[in-house]
Amino acid sequence: NAGVTQTPKFRVLKTGQSMTLLCAQDMNHEYMYWYRQDPGMGLRLIHYSVGEGTTAKGEVPDGYNVSRLKKQNFLLGLESAAPSQTSVYFCASSFGVGARGETQYFGPGTRLLVL
Amino acid sequence: DQQVKQNSPSLSVQEGRISILNCDYTNSMFDYFLWYKKYPAEGPTFLISISSIKDKNEDGRFTVFLNKSAKHLSLHIVPSQPGDSAVYFCAASGSYTGTASKLTFGTGTRLQVTL
Repeated sequence: NAGVTQTPKFRVLKTGQSMTLLCAQDMNHEYMYWYRQDPGMGLRLIHYSVGEGTTAKGEVPDGYNVSRLKKQNFLLGLESAAPSQTSVYFCASSFGVGARGETQYFGPGTRLLVL
Repeated sequence: DQQVKQNSPSLSVQEGRISILNCDYTNSMFDYFLWYKKYPAEGPTFLISISSIKDKNEDGRFTVFLNKSAKHLSLHIVPSQPGDSAVYFCAASGSYTGTASKLTFGTGTRLQVTL
């Protein structure tokens, strides 16, 4: 039981390049999330999904796209990377319902540097 | 607009003493609160939570107190141990959003437990 895994762990991009971050969970969770963490800002929600085939915008969605084609995977795409997207990206998942549904479980993070 | 605030960026406590981490929120619709712990280069891990119908929840050395009238919660760690040294995030959610488990995070407090 690996929990939430993220690929890659670290990546350097040049401005304008594109890339996809992959998140996978093996807990059969319905809800999945992408956050970014910047110094002094806490974690901010980029996009989230309440089930396979559905996605929704979070607090800071601009410049990112997501897809949830399979229940266990949640992809975050950067079409044209900008230096402002240099950050640490965390994926999380949760049951979404029930007494403990609101507890989210996080992956180890992807550190992205955009030059 | 920071709806969840952790006004102390850092805290240093001696081993064996009590650590008290504070969190304030502004949105009266929040009804579920969580604390996460984060070590460097790792994702946040769930620590303890509390529903708004309670004012205290305890789990071993960790206790969370909720004061709804003051919109304030605190995390007590007794006794503090060197392994508790980490960044602690307060998070809140509200069922009013229509979809459970959308968490709003504070900016974190770095706890250092000294020998």
